[in-house]
Amino acid sequence: DVKVTQSSRYLVKRTGEKVFLECVQDMDHENMFWYRQDPGLGLRLIYFSYDVKMKEKGDIPEGYSVSREKKERFSLILESASTNQTSMYLCASRQASSAGEAFFGQGTRLTVV
Amino acid sequence: AQSVTQPDIHITVSEGASLELRCNYSYGATPYLFWYVQSPGQGLQLLLKYFSGDTLVQGIKGFEAEFKRSQSSFNLRKPSVHWSDAAEYFCAVGSSYNQGGKLIFGQGTELSVKP
Repeated sequence: DVKVTQSSRYLVKRTGEKVFLECVQDMDHENMFWYRQDPGLGLRLIYFSYDVKMKEKGDIPEGYSVSREKKERFSLILESASTNQTSMYLCASRQASSAGEAFFGQGTRLTVV
Repeated sequence: AQSVTQPDIHITVSEGASLELRCNYSYGATPYLFWYVQSPGQGLQLLLKYFSGDTLVQGIKGFEAEFKRSQSSFNLRKPSVHWSDAAEYFCAVGSSYNQGGKLIFGQGTELSVKP
């Protein structure tokens, strides 16, 4: 089974902190994604990566950055956390060379206080 | 640019009734289309997908969806809803590898099931 693992299920951070959300996949997928899920807004794409060290902005990249140094790992970074970044964050991976489905991690519920 | 619209934020149906959840997409080429379900407190699970061939696709849990290119739609259907189908449903459109492999989701439709 494909496995996408997010490092934390729940996080509480203070305003202004630098926050790292980690995601690891074990299926050698080229594409990896970070989404933010908020009620009524669905899943909004923050960043995605189609190869090591390659990234593209999604629909809401402001206040976030990403890092992909190895194929299996995709990190989301909140440079200076703010209360409006309190949300559920979902990582996903996908094989890009076909109509591959995306596999999701369990999510990280981040609260910024 | 890719986009997905799910016009219905919340739908309530009676158990045993039929269900149709709407999804409209915008994409310049032949899309890859997906429906996912998220039960409360759970991750997203793939219900079905379309990428070519027969426009009526079957999925898990008795769901099916029909791709209609002329209407840019990919509506999800189930003939008889069960109480366990109460969840949030997401439609998504994906681009092919040579277009970056981006995957965009709709706003989601929350389904409630009345006894």
